[in-house]
Amino acid sequence: GAVVSQHPSWVICKSGTSVKIECRSLDFQATTMFWYRQFPKQSLMLMATSNEGSKATYEQGVEKDKFLINHASLTLSTLTVTSAHPEDSSFYICSALGSGLTLRDEQFFGPGTRLTVL
Amino acid sequence: LAKTTQPISMDSYEGQEVNITCSHNNIATNDYITWYQQFPSQGPRFIIQGYKTKVTNEVASLFIPADRKSSTLSLPRVSLSDTAVYYCLVGEAGANNLFFGTGTRLTVIP
Repeated sequence: GAVVSQHPSWVICKSGTSVKIECRSLDFQATTMFWYRQFPKQSLMLMATSNEGSKATYEQGVEKDKFLINHASLTLSTLTVTSAHPEDSSFYICSALGSGLTLRDEQFFGPGTRLTVL
Repeated sequence: LAKTTQPISMDSYEGQEVNITCSHNNIATNDYITWYQQFPSQGPRFIIQGYKTKVTNEVASLFIPADRKSSTLSLPRVSLSDTAVYYCLVGEAGANNLFFGTGTRLTVIP
């Protein structure tokens, strides 16, 4: 149980285009999901917290107009990188907060999406 | 938010026990200690979580002294497939303010 998927697993796009990444909790509902970014050889950095039915909360230094987050259902959150540039190339990882009687009260991570902007 | 300090890297031979220590001097009363494992190009995977004393599961043990200012992840008889980065995180259960420090890059040598 507690599986989180991401789609696509990798994407290559041209500079200036927008890319959407989906994060799904497959076998549980998650009112809260998180988006992280990880550059090569570096640690994960929290970008934003996504709450179902409300606006996302962004960490300091993360542009909310560039990284659009939508959490329209209890099993899906999307991250759209708008007007992507090469410096946005990174590994994007989402996580979903598990809760309830059958899950540990912790974050379950997706497999990540490798974004390469040419 | 309690910050953590871990060794940047460790090497170990196959079959040995590996102990990775994490310092968290500013841990709060409500904070738990959680360890994650991350392979290259994959998301982190939960290993173990504890609050105090000792916790053991099928893959690891977690030792937490009485003052809780540090913790040690113990991996028994590591194999090559245990080569990964191990992160120690401190925070309230379910909190959104997970801070991933540098992690410890463990390399298991044949």
